[in-house]
Amino acid sequence: SQTIHQWPATLVQPVGSPLSLECTVEGTSNPNLYWYRQAAGRGLQLLFYSVGIGQISSEVPQNLSASRPQDRQFILSSKKLLLSDSGFYLCAWSRGQYEQYFGPGTRLTVT
Amino acid sequence: GQQLNQSPQSMFIQEGEDVSMNCTSSSIFNTWLWYKQDPGEGPVLLIALYKAGELTSNGRLTAQFGITRKDSFLNISASIPSDVGIYFCAGPPGGGSNYKLTFGKGTLLTVNP
Repeated sequence: SQTIHQWPATLVQPVGSPLSLECTVEGTSNPNLYWYRQAAGRGLQLLFYSVGIGQISSEVPQNLSASRPQDRQFILSSKKLLLSDSGFYLCAWSRGQYEQYFGPGTRLTVT
Repeated sequence: GQQLNQSPQSMFIQEGEDVSMNCTSSSIFNTWLWYKQDPGEGPVLLIALYKAGELTSNGRLTAQFGITRKDSFLNISASIPSDVGIYFCAGPPGGGSNYKLTFGKGTLLTVNP
């Protein structure tokens, strides 16, 4: 069976500091991978998606970037965090279908 | 882009009551997905619908793909406290790409024991 991991689970970072969130998927190969942000208002905002190693598509111009160094690894990064980057970050995967499966999320607080 | 409108935004019910929520779009969707998100966790896929008129159940949950393909409904029967959470509908915009989903803003369900 497939599993998806995210870490860290929670993170408190000062404004201007760098960020690295990691997501890994087990039990499948060549998945589509996604990064979402969920603000307090509940909506899910798609940030990036990837259909293969080194292939990243950005949905929203912002202070964040994504990379996919390995088939089942997806990383969300920032060089300098802003207060507005606070939120709940979710990674998801899919495999040739519309259904996406989400990880447990990372709660980021920028202070 | 295409939007999904979920209603109601919030529901407060008593344990044992049945629940109905819906999701509508101004455009046709070829697939409807329903997710549940527990507080502090990632959304979990509950039901997937692929055909207009399709009715699918998962335990006490039943979802329907509207005939017009512009709406979907989720019903929960005999609610229990663990049904608390946010319920999202989602679907692929434009009916084409399987890379992206559009999500509704969710229905927050509170169940009073």
